[in-house]
Amino acid sequence: ETGVTQTPRHLVMGMTNKKSLKCEQHLGHNAMYWYKQSAKKPLELMFVYNFKEQTENNSVPSRFSPECPNSSHLFLHLHTLQPEDSALYLCASSHGGARTGELFFGEGSRLTVL
Amino acid sequence: SQKIEQNSEALNIQEGKTATLTCNYTNYSPAYLQWYRQDPGRGPVFLLLIRENEKEKRKERLKVTFDTTLKQSLFHITASQPADSATYLCALSMNNNAGNMLTFGGGTRLMVKP
Repeated sequence: ETGVTQTPRHLVMGMTNKKSLKCEQHLGHNAMYWYKQSAKKPLELMFVYNFKEQTENNSVPSRFSPECPNSSHLFLHLHTLQPEDSALYLCASSHGGARTGELFFGEGSRLTVL
Repeated sequence: SQKIEQNSEALNIQEGKTATLTCNYTNYSPAYLQWYRQDPGRGPVFLLLIRENEKEKRKERLKVTFDTTLKQSLFHITASQPADSATYLCALSMNNNAGNMLTFGGGTRLMVKP
């Protein structure tokens, strides 16, 4: 139990569906992240929120839309995805504004796009 | 371009031996480097952090070295056990105020045989 909870753990969706991934952290952190992990590729940083403000959007297509209503919750809204978007989506948190310190990851949401 | 390289081939060793994993990087001047462990279908778990002005860090059976001249980090597990079998990721961070901006390598899979 890392203190970062992701739901759902598994999601299958068609290309025309709209779905959302949810992340919640109980660690009192102020920074939250979305990473994408595809087979045989390194973890790719997608979005960073620091004190609820988006500080990084790593050239992610607009079909992925993040939302951070408060420091404890992070969403990834999915719309008209492509099969190549199938991957493990990992949420992480850390102390906000800090330049050091580890990331605490959730267990991930395994997304399959048909 | 910036690149982080870890041996993509699995490392197979016998129980009790020392496992040594390598992380090389180019075109980076990282402020610090981290190592994570990832089990199949799970999120990465933080193991160790080493800063640019540190040569070596230890934690129980784990040891990390950081050579900024060679642009290399070595990760050692002494007296390895089958339970150490997992994928190990290195991650580098630049000095940045916008949260913890880690870039990950592709990971090396370690298999410890009894």
